[in-house]
Amino acid sequence: GQQVMQIPQYQHVQEGEDFTTYCNSSTTLSNIQWYKQRPGGHPVFLIQLVKSGEVKKQKRLTFQFGEAKKNSSLHITATQTTDVGTYFCAGRRSNTGKLIFGQGTTLQVKP
Amino acid sequence: DVKVTQSSRYLVKRTGEKVFLECVQDMDHENMFWYRQDPGLGLRLIYFSYDVKMKEKGDIPEGYSVSREKKERFSLILESASTNQTSMYLCASQSPGGLGEQYFGPGTRLTVT
Repeated sequence: GQQVMQIPQYQHVQEGEDFTTYCNSSTTLSNIQWYKQRPGGHPVFLIQLVKSGEVKKQKRLTFQFGEAKKNSSLHITATQTTDVGTYFCAGRRSNTGKLIFGQGTTLQVKP
Repeated sequence: DVKVTQSSRYLVKRTGEKVFLECVQDMDHENMFWYRQDPGLGLRLIYFSYDVKMKEKGDIPEGYSVSREKKERFSLILESASTNQTSMYLCASQSPGGLGEQYFGPGTRLTVT
């Protein structure tokens, strides 16, 4: 079954509001990646987190990796219509090297 | 820029037909992957390959096979298509080294009637 759970599945926000998606793994991860898929497009790599407790920022996007390396979050400050899409986390377990994708969170932004 | 191409954007096949989905990458990557994407289920790994003629089953290999005769090309084969294989199929190529980010093709939306 699914070993990386991502919530919420959908989020509708007003432009300018903040948005957060959460990712939880049943096992410790060696690293976690985040991807964005625009409507009608394919997933595009955003960032990778490796260290316990790591925090990285890309403009209005903040990514965190939990201390136990089992959870992660993506926070968008002051959403814009260009943020619309589905955000996937993908965890890599050190013993296999495979990426396990979460179900994705689809963000809709009302102008 | 890495380029991953897939042979078709849309494909309609009949139940029982043999279906070939082709994927080509231009960055000499060793690792390539086939996923299917369904609403609410995210991306599920079907098969992957670490090198030419090497293949490993992913999480949902039943009803599929793969072929990797050349490094740049990774093919997904549906031996006898069924309606429950109607889905979006995404191929990915993975960069080497510690980062290991995946580059996805545009996807093939397959409908089996």
